[in-house]
Amino acid sequence: GQQLNQSPQSMFIQEGEDVSMNCTSSSIFNTWLWYKQDPGEGPVLLIALYKAGELTSNGRLTAQFGITRKDSFLNISASIPSDVGIYFCAGRSTGANSKLTFGKGITLSVRP
Amino acid sequence: DAGVTQSPTHLIKTRGQQVTLRCSPKSGHDTVSWYQQALGQGPQFIFQYYEEEERQRGNFPDRFSGHQFPNYSSELNVNALLLGDSALYLCASSGVGLREQYFGPGTRLTVT
Repeated sequence: GQQLNQSPQSMFIQEGEDVSMNCTSSSIFNTWLWYKQDPGEGPVLLIALYKAGELTSNGRLTAQFGITRKDSFLNISASIPSDVGIYFCAGRSTGANSKLTFGKGITLSVRP
Repeated sequence: DAGVTQSPTHLIKTRGQQVTLRCSPKSGHDTVSWYQQALGQGPQFIFQYYEEEERQRGNFPDRFSGHQFPNYSSELNVNALLLGDSALYLCASSGVGLREQYFGPGTRLTVT
């Protein structure tokens, strides 16, 4: 089945630093999404991308939909302690509202 | 405006038992998707309900079944529980004209 690859499993950065994480797939996706999950909570949608090459920002977050439609990246600028959490990429290959395929997630730690 | 709600928050069951989890979608949403998230993994799609019918299904055995009610709320039933069914079960809702899924906080199921 389809799989999304996220690596490394964990990232450790200093407060104020920028961090970039990417997600790759062996299959084409029509939509790429980035979610953040805090302990004991459900994933929260950060950014959605709908077109190859699209670059979208949400505050300090910027994400891009790869031209090949097989990858996406998320950049967090000027990190703060509340950025700590697990970041998941998700892709959708068919129509709106259809199932999402998730990566395994990257755990981000921010040192003050 | 309440978001997606799920009950119960936590549940402990014994191998072989049956369990029912509940989800109320966000106001205005009519589609409910269920995901299973094992520890350290990304969510895996179980199935999706729309207009009280199962519209899509992931790679899960028939022990996993569901239902959607006229008020759009949904139940996930798991029969003959196995130790491997221990996970966080997430419900996500979406609706006509809404491209994205919004997740609830999840139900933590432990099978002993």
